[in-house]
Amino acid sequence: QVQLQESGPGLVTPSETLSLTCTVSGGSMTTYYWSWIRQPPGKGLEWIGYIYYNGNTNYYYNPSLKSRVTISVDTSNNQFSLNLSSVTAADTAVYYCARAVTSGTTNFDHWGQGTLVTVSS
Amino acid sequence: SYELSQPLSVSVAPGQTARIPCGGNNIGFKNVHWYQQEPGQAPVLVIYRDDVRPSGVPERFSASNSGNTATLTISSAQAGDEADYYCQVWDTTTGSVVFGGGTRLTVL
Repeated sequence: QVQLQESGPGLVTPSETLSLTCTVSGGSMTTYYWSWIRQPPGKGLEWIGYIYYNGNTNYYYNPSLKSRVTISVDTSNNQFSLNLSSVTAADTAVYYCARAVTSGTTNFDHWGQGTLVTVSS
Repeated sequence: SYELSQPLSVSVAPGQTARIPCGGNNIGFKNVHWYQQEPGQAPVLVIYRDDVRPSGVPERFSASNSGNTATLTISSAQAGDEADYYCQVWDTTTGSVVFGGGTRLTVL
């Protein structure tokens, strides 16, 4: 059974870069896309983006976040990462990593437990 | 950009059928996926590609998609079904994932 686990700082200073890592266990990263999704406290889900297991140019980002987002993958360590630059309080959220199944459409069949990131000085 | 609309809340009596709509322009032409999120937990996929249940999801969960509305149906609703439910599609125009705003299901 595939399992995902997020890790990274729980507190980030405004204007700095938020960095998170997701470790995948119990399965291979190959043939899948790997995604980040966030949820501000008390609000709904927002897709951030995803990347194909082989990285390269196979990635998609939410247009509203594209200028600040970088997602990368390290299959040798079964990990993928999120960098979100120039953060503000509006970026405070629970951040989830998830496996994306893409075949003419996209859905997320395995999720991490989520990690709360607070943006505050 | 493509938008999905869901009611903030739906209530159902125990043992009755709950229906949660998800509205979108010509959503019937898209594949719709549904997630259940219990309080403090990560979302769980309960329906994909309009009407397919992943392994382990009870048969009480079903869904349909036509015209401008997709619907998640939960029959014989139980207290354990109380959760937030989100619909989701892939928008080919923008090349992005879109989630509905979510619906809180209350079983009372």
